[in-house]
Amino acid sequence: GQSLEQPSEVTAVEGAIVQINCTYQTSGFYGLSWYQQHDGGAPTFLSYNGLDGLEETGRFSSFLSRSDSYGYLLLQELQMKDSASYFCAVRGDSNYQLIWGAGTKLIIKP
Amino acid sequence: KAGVTQTPRYLIKTRGQQVTLSCSPISGHRSVSWYQQTPGQGLQFLFEYFSETQRNKGNFPGRFSGRQFSNSRSEMNVSTLELGDSALYLCASSLRLDSYEQYFGPGTRLTVT
Repeated sequence: GQSLEQPSEVTAVEGAIVQINCTYQTSGFYGLSWYQQHDGGAPTFLSYNGLDGLEETGRFSSFLSRSDSYGYLLLQELQMKDSASYFCAVRGDSNYQLIWGAGTKLIIKP
Repeated sequence: KAGVTQTPRYLIKTRGQQVTLSCSPISGHRSVSWYQQTPGQGLQFLFEYFSETQRNKGNFPGRFSGRQFSNSRSEMNVSTLELGDSALYLCASSLRLDSYEQYFGPGTRLTVT
């Protein structure tokens, strides 16, 4: 079957750097996306990786290694407002169906 | 540009009833996806519509159905509601079927008693 794995919870300190990993097992690969969801809110798009390497958007960066079926989201200079759940998602087949990880709850301590 | 809207925002139904949820995508977006989210769970994919055709379907029973209209608005229907159907139902729209960025609505919170 097709699946994505990411840690259920990560804890970090305000101002620090945290990395959220995502490994995928899909029949095909058409890109890895990351979404953020605050409690009670809707998911919002953060970043996309279609090719290997690092994509940077402000304090957030996302990395992809297609040979390892692996990606990560890097959050720098953590702020309390970054406390949220983070989901990775992969388009894994020719029908472009989006497959989602179970999400990583990021807890930030002052 | 207006975002994705979903109606109603909250709904309370009784076991055995049916429910219809509505989603209006961002203007110009032709793909609409539906997800079920339960507390502490990820997004469970229900189905995806593009140009009024169901393109993908998740692993949900036939009680869950949907459709898309010519103006890209979409509805999903759940018949013979069960307690386990209580969840947040999210709708997301995107420009194309292969778009990597989806825009989510605020969701409809369904409670089945």
